[in-house]
Amino acid sequence: SQQGEEDPQALSIQEGENATMNCSYKTSINNLQWYRQNSGRGLVHLILIRSNEREKHSGRLRVTLDTSKKSSSLLITASRAADTASYFCATDAGTYKYIFGTGTRLKVLA
Amino acid sequence: NAGVTQTPKFQVLKTGQSMTLQCAQDMNHEYMSWYRQDPGMGLRLIHYSVGAGITDQGEVPNGYNVSRSTTEDFPLRLLSAAPSQTSVYFCASRPRRAAFQETQYFGPGTRLLVL
Repeated sequence: SQQGEEDPQALSIQEGENATMNCSYKTSINNLQWYRQNSGRGLVHLILIRSNEREKHSGRLRVTLDTSKKSSSLLITASRAADTASYFCATDAGTYKYIFGTGTRLKVLA
Repeated sequence: NAGVTQTPKFQVLKTGQSMTLQCAQDMNHEYMSWYRQDPGMGLRLIHYSVGAGITDQGEVPNGYNVSRSTTEDFPLRLLSAAPSQTSVYFCASRPRRAAFQETQYFGPGTRLLVL
């Protein structure tokens, strides 16, 4: 399988805490994207980081990319109950074939 | 804009039956794709298209056919359904100009159960 891997598979934290999830991939990429999926719904794009970028911020989201280790992390600061969802990374090698990770299920307890 | 729409939302098939999952987008996106999502497997690419008349295989194309006669529509056909095709199917689209617009927009999904 070409799928990337994310860890942890599941994460449970208290509201207000930070949540960090990691993504590893196997091939060279043009960019890496993070998506959120609420239960039973489609995926929503969160943030994109290009291969020549090392860190990117968007609101409470911070993404890092280490192409030498073929890994990325997503940090959600000051988490809220509404952040409860599954989070997926997806890599784009410029071939139109996006490769998704297996996802991290985040539960934020109020 | 309605974005990416998918029909039906839920379908039950018997083994061997055929059906077409519909996907449409009204954003004039050249790139469209189909994924399946199985528990613990994330999303896997089935087929994709970079424009009308152009399709190509993804990671798991066996058992599925696609065509792209218009920019708006990208139907996925199951010719002879098998229990292994029980899954949630997502359609996605994005503009082909990839330089600074690689975001994909996803439909709400179709849940398919094959008995």
